[in-house]
Amino acid sequence: GESVGLHLPTLSVQEGDNSIINCAYSNSASDYFIWYKQESGKGPQFIIDIRSNMDKRQGQRVTVLLNKTVKHLSLQIAATQPGDSAVYFCALGGPGGGNKLTFGTGTQLKVEL
Amino acid sequence: GAVVSQHPSRVICKSGTSVKIECRSLDFQATTMFWYRQFPKQSLMLMATSNEGSKATYEQGVEKDKFLINHASLTLSTLTVTSAHPEDSSFYICSARGTVDGKLFFGSGTQLSVL
Repeated sequence: GESVGLHLPTLSVQEGDNSIINCAYSNSASDYFIWYKQESGKGPQFIIDIRSNMDKRQGQRVTVLLNKTVKHLSLQIAATQPGDSAVYFCALGGPGGGNKLTFGTGTQLKVEL
Repeated sequence: GAVVSQHPSRVICKSGTSVKIECRSLDFQATTMFWYRQFPKQSLMLMATSNEGSKATYEQGVEKDKFLINHASLTLSTLTVTSAHPEDSSFYICSARGTVDGKLFFGSGTQLSVL
C-alpha cells in the first residue's frame, strides 16, 4: 500500500525565519503532489502543487521541492509570519491527475514572536 | 479559486439519529466530489468518492449503509450519517475538483458530535 509520512510532527520557528516542512512518500507511481494548510476547525487550503516532471516550483513566499529519486517532498516558507501557524499536509495523487489524494500525517507549524 | 460550501459547520445530535451534511460547489460544476473524515490531530482519511448520477465508491472499511452519499446534481453532494453513535463523532470534510485548473478545493468541514 501507499504510505506518506512527515519527518517532524511539530515545527517551531521564529517570526521572520524560513520554515521547511518535509514529506516522504513510498509510491513511486505518484505524479502529483500538493501542500495544504489547515487551520483549526477549518478545511484544508491549497498552497502549492507540483507535478512529477518538475523538481521545483515557487509561489508567493512558498517553494515546493520534489526529489523523486529519494521520494521526498518539501515545503519552504520564506519569512514565516504568525498567520502561517497551522497544520501542513502533503498530499499525493496517483497517475492520471490526482483525483484521489492520499494525505500525509501533518506537521504543526508554530510561529513564535 | 473555486468555492466549496459545506453545511452545517457544526452539529450536535443524540445517539441513534441521522445527520445530513451538504457540500456545494458554488461557482463551478463538479462531477466528482470526495468525502473525508478527520479525527483530532490526525490526517484526512478518504471515505468515499461521490459521482454525479451514479453510486458512490467507498473506501475499504467504510460502511456504505452507515454513510449514505447522494450526488443528485453537478453542484451538490450530501453525506448522511445514519443512526449516529458517539464513535461517529468526527470532522467531516468534502472536496471537489475545480473545472478551470483541476485543483481540488475543500469545504470548511463539519464537526459532528454525537451524544
